[in-house]
Amino acid sequence: KAGVTQTPRYLIKTRGQQVTLSCSPISGHRSVSWYQQTPGQGLQFLFEYFSETQRNKGNFPGRFSGRQFSNSRSEMNVSTLELGDSALYLCASSRGQGNTGELFFGEGSRLTVL
Amino acid sequence: QKEVEQNSGPLSVPEGAIASLNCTYSDRGSQSFFWYRQYSGKSPELIMFIYSNGDKEDGRFTAQLNKASQYVSLLIRDSQPSDSATYLCAVNRLRGGGNKLTFGTGTQLKVEL
Repeated sequence: KAGVTQTPRYLIKTRGQQVTLSCSPISGHRSVSWYQQTPGQGLQFLFEYFSETQRNKGNFPGRFSGRQFSNSRSEMNVSTLELGDSALYLCASSRGQGNTGELFFGEGSRLTVL
Repeated sequence: QKEVEQNSGPLSVPEGAIASLNCTYSDRGSQSFFWYRQYSGKSPELIMFIYSNGDKEDGRFTAQLNKASQYVSLLIRDSQPSDSATYLCAVNRLRGGGNKLTFGTGTQLKVEL
């Protein structure tokens, strides 16, 4: 069974640009969550999508957005990039039934903002 | 006060010993509790979850929850060098549907030969 797939794995952008990251969940999983991981702050919740709807949202500015498609694949977008957005962005999928917190993480997309 | 607190370590234990990892959380309404393991350069993987007060055992791992003290712990028996990793405690505060985990910053465990 294929795991969670994230693309691209690495990317470099400059301040002011925007970026789109993609996530394909495990087959049959309907929930996709996004987390930002930095050395100082650790893992921080961005948002969760379930059945194409944002079910939960973290405390990030509106520059961070996401969406989920009918096949459960998800994208997140960061506009007007800032240096502080440099991080590992992790996508995690779960079956989506209830709130189990049993997440399966992808390998992440490492974003560097110059 | 951080919502989920862990000692950053490193916690060093000899091979074969018991490693004890601790975590406290601030929200008394927290519903479910998780331990994830993250190897260097890899993504987190779930190793244990616990919902009710008491102990839950799975192989060499035991999770302990004390909601009155707002305390979660993970015991690793017969520690192996392959257990060397960062252990992340996570809490889900949601009562309804959804996964919105708050993670601690992790405890680095080193199992020495």
